[in-house]
Amino acid sequence: DAGVTQSPTHLIKTRGQQVTLRCSPKSGHDTVSWYQQALGQGPQFIFQYYEEEERQRGNFPDRFSGHQFPNYSSELNVNALLLGDSALYLCASTRQGNTEAFFGQGTRLTVV
Amino acid sequence: DAKTTQPTSMDCAEGRAANLPCNHSTISGNEYVYWYRQIHSQGPQYIIHGLKNNETNEMASLIITEDRKSSTLILPHATLRDTAVYYCIVRVANSGSARQLTFGSGTQLTVLP
Repeated sequence: DAGVTQSPTHLIKTRGQQVTLRCSPKSGHDTVSWYQQALGQGPQFIFQYYEEEERQRGNFPDRFSGHQFPNYSSELNVNALLLGDSALYLCASTRQGNTEAFFGQGTRLTVV
Repeated sequence: DAKTTQPTSMDCAEGRAANLPCNHSTISGNEYVYWYRQIHSQGPQYIIHGLKNNETNEMASLIITEDRKSSTLILPHATLRDTAVYYCIVRVANSGSARQLTFGSGTQLTVLP
């Protein structure tokens, strides 16, 4: 049983560009959450998707958007990249009503 | 969700028990205590959670004080592979939706040979 998978593992982008990160949840999970983790800090919640809709959102600007597909996989899009967007982006999946979240290995985004 | 306070770092000798404390003095009656850990360059990993009673699983034990204002995660026989950042998180569970996790800075546990 594959756990949460994220792609790509590493990415380098130029300031002002747009990026799309992908996440496939653990089998049987229907809810996907995205987190941003800057170096030396704990992960910060970006948003959560369930039934193809954004259900919760953290304190992130509209440049951060997402999507969930019918197969429960999800994408995180970031527009107009800033140097400060450089971070590890983590995807976590859960099943509605279940409290344990499973995390992927993350995508390391570097903005230059 | 209630805020938690953890020491920034701790060391532990290999083979000994590692006791990681967490203060959550503003915890509400319906909030659980969760522990996750993050090994360098990996995603966080769920360890254990509890409400009032002490809990034990194959990874660790969780001891929650009677007033629920603090808790201790115990790794009974620490190994070098337990070196990681340990996060104590307080949140409402079973609320109808999988609520977000609010991570603090955590405790860097270093297991020494």
